[in-house]
Amino acid sequence: AQTVTQSQPEMSVQEAETVTLSCTYDTSESNYYLFWYKQPPSRQMILVIRQEAYKQQNATENRFSVNFQKAAKSFSLKISDSQLGDTAMYFCAFMKREGAQKLVFGQGTRLTINP
Amino acid sequence: NAGVMQNPRHLVRRRGQEARLRCSPMKGHSHVYWYRQLPEEGLKFMVYLQKENIIDESGMPKERFSAEFPKEGPSILRIQQVVRGDSAAYFCASSPQGAPGTEAFFGQGTRLTVV
Repeated sequence: AQTVTQSQPEMSVQEAETVTLSCTYDTSESNYYLFWYKQPPSRQMILVIRQEAYKQQNATENRFSVNFQKAAKSFSLKISDSQLGDTAMYFCAFMKREGAQKLVFGQGTRLTINP
Repeated sequence: NAGVMQNPRHLVRRRGQEARLRCSPMKGHSHVYWYRQLPEEGLKFMVYLQKENIIDESGMPKERFSAEFPKEGPSILRIQQVVRGDSAAYFCASSPQGAPGTEAFFGQGTRLTVV
C-alpha cells in the first residue's frame, strides 16, 4: 500500500516570501503521478500542480514549482512570491498509473500568508 | 460546463438516522470517486464507481455504508444508522473515462454532522 507523509502540520510566512512544503511517499510502483492540492476555507479542492513520475523534469505552474526526487521519494512544493490568497491547507497526493485512479493523500500542511 | 455538484452542502442527522449524499459529476465524466475527510486530516478514499458498477470499494466500511451510480441521475453515498464517528466532510470527484492521471475534479463536499 502507498503512504504519503507531510511532516509540517503548519507553516507561516510573510507575503512575497518563498515557502517550501515537504512531502515524502512510499510505494513499490514505478509508474505513478504526484499532485499538490490546495484547500482554502471554502473546502473546495483545487489542483495546484501535477508531476508524472517517469518525467525527470520538475513541473512548474506560474509561481508554483516542485522538486521531485524519485530515488528519495520526495515531492516538495515551492511557492514563490507568496500571496494572501495562497493561505490554505495543502495536500500532497499519490496516484498509481494503472488500475483504479484513486488518490492517496497526506495529512496536509496549513499554510498562512501574513500581510 | 458546470463543475461537480454535491448536495446538500451541510447535513445534520441524529444518531440512528440515514444520510444520503448526492454527487452529479461533470458533464461527460463517467467515473466517480468518494472521499471522506475527518477534521484536521487528509482525504481518505472510500469508493470508485462507474455507471452502474462499483469498481473499487476497498476504502468503504463494510457495514452501514453503500454507494451507487445509476445509469441516470447522480451518484449516491448512503450511510445507514449514522453514529457520531460518521461526522466528516464527504467529497465526490469525477474524471473522464480512459484517461490515466487525469485531474480529478472535486465537488465542494457535504459536511455531515451527527448529533
